[in-house]
Amino acid sequence: EVQLVESGGGLVKPGGSLRLSCAASGFTFSSYDFNWVRQAPGKGLEWVSSISTTTNYIYYADSVKGRFTISRDNAKNSLYLQMNNLRAEDTAVYYCARDRSSAWDFDYWGQGTLVTVSS
Amino acid sequence: DIQMTQSPSSVSASVGDRVTITCRASQGISGWLAWYQQKPGKAPKLLIYAASSLQSGVPSRFSGSGSGTDFTLTISSLQPEDFATYYCQQANSFPLTFGGGTKVEIK
Repeated sequence: EVQLVESGGGLVKPGGSLRLSCAASGFTFSSYDFNWVRQAPGKGLEWVSSISTTTNYIYYADSVKGRFTISRDNAKNSLYLQMNNLRAEDTAVYYCARDRSSAWDFDYWGQGTLVTVSS
Repeated sequence: DIQMTQSPSSVSASVGDRVTITCRASQGISGWLAWYQQKPGKAPKLLIYAASSLQSGVPSRFSGSGSGTDFTLTISSLQPEDFATYYCQQANSFPLTFGGGTKVEIK
């Protein structure tokens, strides 16, 4: 069974940092591209970042470029999102999502982890 | 960036109704479109990919069509478990973008 479990969310002050993790199981992690998608409270879905299997392709939304860094450890079956210089508008549930087949749509999602940026 | 516009933003319907949701892209995306269903407090679920391909395990009452800039998601006979919010997403180019969502509510 495919499982994606995010962790690392929490309350952080503006300007602070957090590192989100996504632990994958039930499939060959290294064979899939991965993504982070977020959802602000009561709002729609917003794509944040994508990373290819061997990290040769990495993409970011303009809203996070220069502040967030996506990475992966294929040996640990894990995806990460380092978030620096956090702003109030980064407050959201962050989902880890598996790419269906290098098609840049998302066939499996984690349960999400809530990041709250507030003083 | 490609803007995705969904309509309507909400629809009230009854069990058994046929429901159609539209999604328009600000520029052509060929068939690179996906549809998701999201229930409150839950992660989105992939329903349709490549505009018209049904994801494994998704009931056949869901169907997608379209190409270029105009796409539709149709639920042929609405079931109680289908009341949710639906999102389209273009997978043609980065940045990947979602529509604003369509909430399907009980009439």
